[in-house]
Amino acid sequence: DTAVSQTPKYLVTQMGNDKSIKCEQNLGHDTMYWYKQDSKKFLKIMFSYNNKELIINETVPNRFSPKSPDKAHLNLHINSLELGDSAVYFCASSPGHEQYFGPGTRLTVT
Amino acid sequence: GQNIDQPTEMTATEGAIVQINCTYQTSGFNGLFWYQQHAGEAPTFLSYNVLDGLEEKGRFSSFLSRSKGYSYLLLKELQMKDSASYLCAVRVNNAGNMLTFGGGTRLMVKP
Repeated sequence: DTAVSQTPKYLVTQMGNDKSIKCEQNLGHDTMYWYKQDSKKFLKIMFSYNNKELIINETVPNRFSPKSPDKAHLNLHINSLELGDSAVYFCASSPGHEQYFGPGTRLTVT
Repeated sequence: GQNIDQPTEMTATEGAIVQINCTYQTSGFNGLFWYQQHAGEAPTFLSYNVLDGLEEKGRFSSFLSRSKGYSYLLLKELQMKDSASYLCAVRVNNAGNMLTFGGGTRLMVKP
């Protein structure tokens, strides 16, 4: 199936740990994104990335870093996890206008 | 930065028409988007407006007035499955096509 996929779907971890969330798209899109959706359902852009340029939302802590091994993948690495990082993280890709979202990863930091 | 406002919740009746408004304040406007998000699921694209006017797509239509910083999403012949959150988002120039979302409007469709 053509889609945006994320792993894992659920991630429970302790404060201070380092974790990664993987994202893959087989839609051939040039641009990928990471969003955070908090408990109030507010969806906030974190990063925009294509094979040439990374744009970082200035409010994102530098504990968060995107890593792209190739055009179809944009993984999210988080260092020193904090309680406030608990949220649903969505990956998305876009050919231009509309964005196609992955199913989300629910991260719980205890 | 961008400031995007939309009502938090709305209720409507099955078969009726509902209009969800969105106002925004931004510089370098480069498009307004509407997404639908069912509880526990990912957002899905509904519509895109970059010029003034109405874009119609089946039961859903979206309107944009750039001079007023205003958009609305119109849903006709409401169905129970339309119960979801509707997210208004703005794209600006020179921002890597990143979208800034409003807080979303939770629509409840009742029989």
